[in-house]
Amino acid sequence: RLVESGGGLIQPGGSLRLSCAASGFPVNGNAMSWVRQAPGKGLEWISVIYSGGSALYTDSVKGRFTISRDDSKNTLYLQMRSLRGDDTAVYYCARDAADPNYGMDVWGQGTTVTVSS
Amino acid sequence: QSVLTQPPSVSEAPRQRVTISCSGSSSNIGNNAVNWYQQLPGKAPKLLIYYDDLLSSGVSDRFSGSKSGTSASLAISGLQSEDEADYYCAAWDDSLNGVVFGGGTKLTVL
Repeated sequence: RLVESGGGLIQPGGSLRLSCAASGFPVNGNAMSWVRQAPGKGLEWISVIYSGGSALYTDSVKGRFTISRDDSKNTLYLQMRSLRGDDTAVYYCARDAADPNYGMDVWGQGTTVTVSS
Repeated sequence: QSVLTQPPSVSEAPRQRVTISCSGSSSNIGNNAVNWYQQLPGKAPKLLIYYDDLLSSGVSDRFSGSKSGTSASLAISGLQSEDEADYYCAAWDDSLNGVVFGGGTKLTVL
């Protein structure tokens, strides 16, 4: 199971850290991804962190977002900086696989981030 | 504009069969597997199909996936009202070095 938290209303240019607490499996034993969905729009993959610790990002968040995890807390994080209006979305964490052909098989319920003044 | 192309909507009557297409390119579908997700209204996505045509655990065998070249399809047979949802295809893109999704297809069961 995955439970996200940390969303909220934030002003443009601000920072926010999302958390994703996992239970039933170790976050460091799997690849873990963040996926977002803007209001009324489709799914957008943002970032993945692999069990070895390496990470990848979609171009629109590179240099602004950082994915990380705390193995002792079995929790995944997404640090978001320099937030913009187009970052407004529901953010989901998902269990991924080292081989992306296997898909994301466990999803959290999502946490909402609203960037607005 | 999504990297993978899906029809915005499809509709079909109960108990009938519907297919949803997903078109990509050599850098994604043509070289990697396609996964399909179902998103019920107000809910998180759920993995239906992985590795082009493998059924995710607990998913009804009314769902099936296929792929040919740079296109893929999701078929749903014996349509039920509970199948009304948004459906997304996804694949790894070697050029973008990340997962790309289709724009989603809204299924209406008439």
